[in-house]
This record gives sequence, C-alpha cells and structure tokens, in this order.
Amino acid sequence: NAGVTQTPKFRVLKTGQSMTLLCAQDMNHEYMYWYRQDPGMGLRLIHYSVGEGTTAKGEVPDGYNVSRLKKQNFLLGLESAAPSQTSVYFCASEGRFYGANVLTFGAGSRLTVL
Amino acid sequence: GQQVMQIPQYQHVQEGEDFTTYCNSSTTLSNIQWYKQRPGGHPVFLIQLVKSGEVKKQKRLTFQFGEAKKNSSLHITATQTTDVGTYFCAGYNFNKFYFGSGTKLNVKP
Repeated sequence: NAGVTQTPKFRVLKTGQSMTLLCAQDMNHEYMYWYRQDPGMGLRLIHYSVGEGTTAKGEVPDGYNVSRLKKQNFLLGLESAAPSQTSVYFCASEGRFYGANVLTFGAGSRLTVL
Repeated sequence: GQQVMQIPQYQHVQEGEDFTTYCNSSTTLSNIQWYKQRPGGHPVFLIQLVKSGEVKKQKRLTFQFGEAKKNSSLHITATQTTDVGTYFCAGYNFNKFYFGSGTKLNVKP
C-alpha cells in the first residue's frame, strides 16, 4: 500500500549513542518533514526537505541532522543522543489530495534515551 | 514568528455530549487543516478549509474557518467513544504548516 514507512518503530539508546531514523515514501512526493511529538507540545518541526538533495531547518533542529540523498528517503540522525531527545518522531510527506496540500504521516518512531 | 494556538488542551466528555476545539493564528492563513490522531496512532488528515467564513460538515463533525481567516473551530455533535483522540489544527502559509498543540478528547461511555 502507498504511504510513509518509518523504521525502527521503537528504540532505546544510552546518552551519547548515535542512531538514524529512516523514512521512506512511495508517493513520489517532493516535500518531506520530520516532527517530534511530546506531551502537551503538539508537533514540532525538526527539519524538512523540498526535494532530493535539499534540507532545511525547522523549529527545533539542534542535536539532529538529516539527509535526502534519494527522493523517496528522508533520514534523521542523532549524533550524540540526550535524554531531552526522548520523544515520538513522525515523518510526513506532502502531496495533493482533493485540491489540498496534505501531510501523510508515518506510524511514528518511539525513542527513549536513558 | 507565526503561531497557532489551540484550546483547550484536554477535554473529558460523557458520551452523547458535544465537543468543540478552537484554533487561533497570529496571522492570516492561506488555509487551515484538521488532523485526528487516535491513541497510539499517527495524525490523519480530516479536512481543509480555504475560504473566509467557510463551513464544512463530515457527519457529526462541523468545521468552521473565521471571516478573517485567523481562527477555526471543530465541533463534534453527540460524541461517541470512537471520537477519542487528539485533534490538531494546522495553519498553512507560504508553503509551511503551523500546527496547534492539539486537543486531547476523552469520551466516557
């Protein structure tokens, strides 16, 4: 089925470890986004990409890096994880549906940093 | 910078009661969208409003966009347990989405 796939779904890290979250979409969308969701704070934009080879900072980019080497993939990296990065991470891609620019979200990746 | 405020943060209702969540933007929006996130799930697109004063309905859900295109509301009539979840508004301007903090709805059977 068409959509946005995130891996892994769950991960536990120790402070200082690194990891990469992978987002893949098969809808040929240009725009892709990484959000984090924390209780009471809604969805906060970390980084986004408007096309292959491009990335840009969002609202809360510190401590994260991203890459968009292929159009269908958007990677989110944590070089040195901190407990403050414990969160649920959602990837989304933007496409046109019924005349609207709509976000399609992945199922989420729950990250715990000890 | 642009902000979208959403209230209330939480709402607990008895099944059959009505529910409303409100969004307010600091600036005029091109359009506003609403998403629903079920517990443990991911946000799913519900609807988009584009025109000033626009009202759209989806069964028991009524969505409104203010005349100044700076505020919006979602009203659910006669809530059901299937309505449980978090409702987000997202303002859209200059190719960017600005999410409200969400309203978490709990419905007691």
